[in-house]
Amino acid sequence: GQQLNQSPQSMFIQEGEDVSMNCTSSSIFNTWLWYKQDPGEGPVLLIALYKAGELTSNGRLTAQFGITRKDSFLNISASIPSDVGIYFCAGRDNQGGKLIFGQGTELSVKP
Amino acid sequence: KAGVTQTPRYLIKTRGQQVTLSCSPISGHRSVSWYQQTPGQGLQFLFEYFSETQRNKGNFPGRFSGRQFSNSRSEMNVSTLELGDSALYLCASSLYRGTSTEAFFGQGTRLTVV
Repeated sequence: GQQLNQSPQSMFIQEGEDVSMNCTSSSIFNTWLWYKQDPGEGPVLLIALYKAGELTSNGRLTAQFGITRKDSFLNISASIPSDVGIYFCAGRDNQGGKLIFGQGTELSVKP
Repeated sequence: KAGVTQTPRYLIKTRGQQVTLSCSPISGHRSVSWYQQTPGQGLQFLFEYFSETQRNKGNFPGRFSGRQFSNSRSEMNVSTLELGDSALYLCASSLYRGTSTEAFFGQGTRLTVV
């Protein structure tokens, strides 16, 4: 099925470090959503972006909607152990609104 | 406000059986979508329901079906189960249809086919 290109696939960082991950697509999206998923649980919505160029923060998380509408990035500042999990980007399809997901970025934080 | 509720959380079924999964969206939300998550394919769209009508369908065989009730609750059914149907099935709730809206997920139903 159709997927976004999300990178990196995994990251191993030290507590306190900043993290950056991004998603790119060949298609234009009107909405970008970022989720975090813990093992055995459903994805939890972190940030929603609706406008090209938009920069939105949620605590230590910051995400941007790319100007071309084909990409988005998520930054996590001063990581802590509870940031561990898999982060997914998702774009809303322009025909009907289904979500197209990236492959996920698995984040590990070493205390 | 209660979140998205999916039942059951876990299911073990035998090949050839059928299964029904349930999703109760956030109160007031009218759009319900279903996704399948597997290690190999990631998160894949199954279908979307709005106002009791299927509005969009992913690339899955006809064994996968669903419906939505007047209270927006939704069920999905998989008939003639195959081993490859083992997955986490996720339901997403949105206030309305459209390309500029958030989607909130339930905890999922883990289906294992043996």
